[in-house]
Amino acid sequence: EPEVTQTPSHQVTQMGQEVILRCVPISNHLYFYWYRQILGQKVEFLVSFYNNEISEKSEIFDDQFSVERPDGSNFTLKIRSTKLEDSAMYFCASSVSLDRGSISNQPQHFGDGTRLSIL
Amino acid sequence: GENVEQHPSTLSVQEGDSAVIKCTYSDSASNYFPWYKQELGKRPQLIIDIRSNVGEKKDQRIAVTLNKTAKHFSLHITETQPEDSAVYFCAGGDNQGGKLIFGQGTELSVKP
Repeated sequence: EPEVTQTPSHQVTQMGQEVILRCVPISNHLYFYWYRQILGQKVEFLVSFYNNEISEKSEIFDDQFSVERPDGSNFTLKIRSTKLEDSAMYFCASSVSLDRGSISNQPQHFGDGTRLSIL
Repeated sequence: GENVEQHPSTLSVQEGDSAVIKCTYSDSASNYFPWYKQELGKRPQLIIDIRSNVGEKKDQRIAVTLNKTAKHFSLHITETQPEDSAVYFCAGGDNQGGKLIFGQGTELSVKP
């Protein structure tokens, strides 16, 4: 079964440094998402991406965050200047295959996540 | 704003008993309600979902019910097994880009 893959599995970074988290969504999926989960808390929506642009973003997704689809397979999340409170598990998800059509009510498949630790 | 409330936060049952987890949502535009199971340190895995035009859906030992009027939906697990132990998250989604708003999670413990 196709899977969403994320790299690295664990990233340790000094506060103030830039990090890039990478995701390879399921092939022929069209919608991509980033979520984060602070340890012991619920999963929180960050951003959705479709047709090479952001569809929606949450209040968490401020100017320090950006997303990009640099080629036909990768989907990246960049945090420009990391803060201690950015420490969390970051999950990428994708949904909708080309032959499904509408975005409405399509399951989102999650990757294994990247654990980001800011020191 | 959009919010999904989930109860209980922890649930302990004996093997073979049933478990019920309940969620309420605030956004009237929500029309898609998935349930995810998350084992420690792993990804959320979709176990069942329900759409707003359906009141109930069942898949083997797992069932989900939806009351759109009351904005409630529930997960029912029958004949629980120790391997059902995990954190379960409900979520609500809509047609506007598909983002999911998650509940706080329920830590289910099934004692053998």
